[in-house]
Amino acid sequence: SQQGEEDPQALSIQEGENATMNCSYKTSINNLQWYRQNSGRGLVHLILIRSNEREKHSGRLRVTLDTSKKSSSLLITASRAADTASYFCAFDRGSTLGRLYFGRGTQLTVWP
Amino acid sequence: KAGVTQTPRYLIKTRGQQVTLSCSPISGHRSVSWYQQTPGQGLQFLFEYFSETQRNKGNFPGRFSGRQFSNSRSEMNVSTLELGDSALYLCASSPYTGELFFGEGSRLTVL
Repeated sequence: SQQGEEDPQALSIQEGENATMNCSYKTSINNLQWYRQNSGRGLVHLILIRSNEREKHSGRLRVTLDTSKKSSSLLITASRAADTASYFCAFDRGSTLGRLYFGRGTQLTVWP
Repeated sequence: KAGVTQTPRYLIKTRGQQVTLSCSPISGHRSVSWYQQTPGQGLQFLFEYFSETQRNKGNFPGRFSGRQFSNSRSEMNVSTLELGDSALYLCASSPYTGELFFGEGSRLTVL
C-alpha cells in the first residue's frame, strides 16, 4: 500500500498523561504531516516536518521523523480531554503534485 | 480569513441519481483537492486542481468528476450513485506550502 499506517489504531489515556502515535510508510517522501479530526468534522493541520528535518515542536506537540526507518511519531504532552480525536499522518511523495497519502488514523480518547 | 466552505453539508440521494458538491477555498489558495472518507477505506484521494487544471487523479471510476473555476471554487460530481458512494467528501485548499486546509465536508448518504 502507498498509504501510511498508524499505530496504535486506538489509544485510551487519562488527562495529564502523554500520548504517542506512530506512523510508518514505504516510499520516499518529500514531507510528512499530522492532522487531527474530531468526529464527523474536517481535518485540521497540526504540523509539517520536511524530509531533511528530524524533530519539530509546536506547543504540546512533538513530531519526529526517521527517514531511514520510514517512520514518524507524534507526541502530545499533558493530554487534555479536548485532545480526544482521530489523528492521521499524511505524506507528500513530491512526484505526485497536490496529493497526500493518508494513514488510517489513531483514535485517541483522553478521559477526564 | 474565511475557511474552506463546503455545501451542502448533508444530503441524501437514491441509487442512480447524481450529485454535485461545491467547495469554496480560502482566498488566495489556487490548489483544491478532494478526498473521500469512509470507515472501510479511510481517506482516499479523488483529484486535485490547480488554476483550473486537474493535475492529479486518484483511482476512482469515471462516474467521479470535478472541475475548478477561474475564481478557484471547485465542484465535484458523482453520477449514477451507488450505495458504496455513501461517504464524507472532504475538500481542501492549499497555498502550496504543503499543508492542506480542509472544509467540514459534505456527508452523502445513498439509499
